[in-house]
Amino acid sequence: DAKTTQPPSMDCAEGRAANLPCNHSTISGNEYVYWYRQIHSQGPQYIIHGLKNNETNEMASLIITEDRKSSTLILPHATLRDTAVYYCIVRVAYTTSGTYKYIFGTGTRLKVLA
Amino acid sequence: GAGVSQSPSNKVTEKGKDVELRCDPISGHTALYWYRQSLGQGLEFLIYFQGNSAPDKSGLPSDRFSAERTGGSVSTLTIQRTQQEDSAVYLCASRPTSTGPRETQYFGPGTRLLVL
Repeated sequence: DAKTTQPPSMDCAEGRAANLPCNHSTISGNEYVYWYRQIHSQGPQYIIHGLKNNETNEMASLIITEDRKSSTLILPHATLRDTAVYYCIVRVAYTTSGTYKYIFGTGTRLKVLA
Repeated sequence: GAGVSQSPSNKVTEKGKDVELRCDPISGHTALYWYRQSLGQGLEFLIYFQGNSAPDKSGLPSDRFSAERTGGSVSTLTIQRTQQEDSAVYLCASRPTSTGPRETQYFGPGTRLLVL
């Protein structure tokens, strides 16, 4: 299974962009990269996902390198409510059934500072 | 609409006792996942159910752990002869039927298990 590597923690000033890196050097060609976040004492929440093109939604942007070995989640204007643990996840396909398993790493604890 | 619910929200038990944790997925979601999250750690995959297919049990840490899903809906995770290292938050997630990339997992609030 492909694994992800993330820095354990990061700080970001409120109102600034938060750039969270992730390495997934063993990712396979059909494996998607997903990002979830987990605010204290809650279940993880979906943010964004991508395969090889950069993606943007109302929450964040996802930049995937051309070789797909790494990606960066960008929160364009971080707020205090964005303080959470951010997980970069590789979605592994079950080739026989076409369904999926999600491999979580240990995540990055982002602290947004006032 | 209703999200994924889990019960109990907290469970304290004595070492050696059996516990049952329940997950009610979102109605119509055919995929269901169980994860474990120890204090300060990431999520550890335990087991995966998809429709009527045989579950993927590859993440279960020992034969003391088992899970079932009745009628393709509610799931129960059972831990027999609990040990202190079983103390963790147990999270359940469900996902709609699809083989496409857009469907994401929806997580429940978790059950916090403490084994004394």
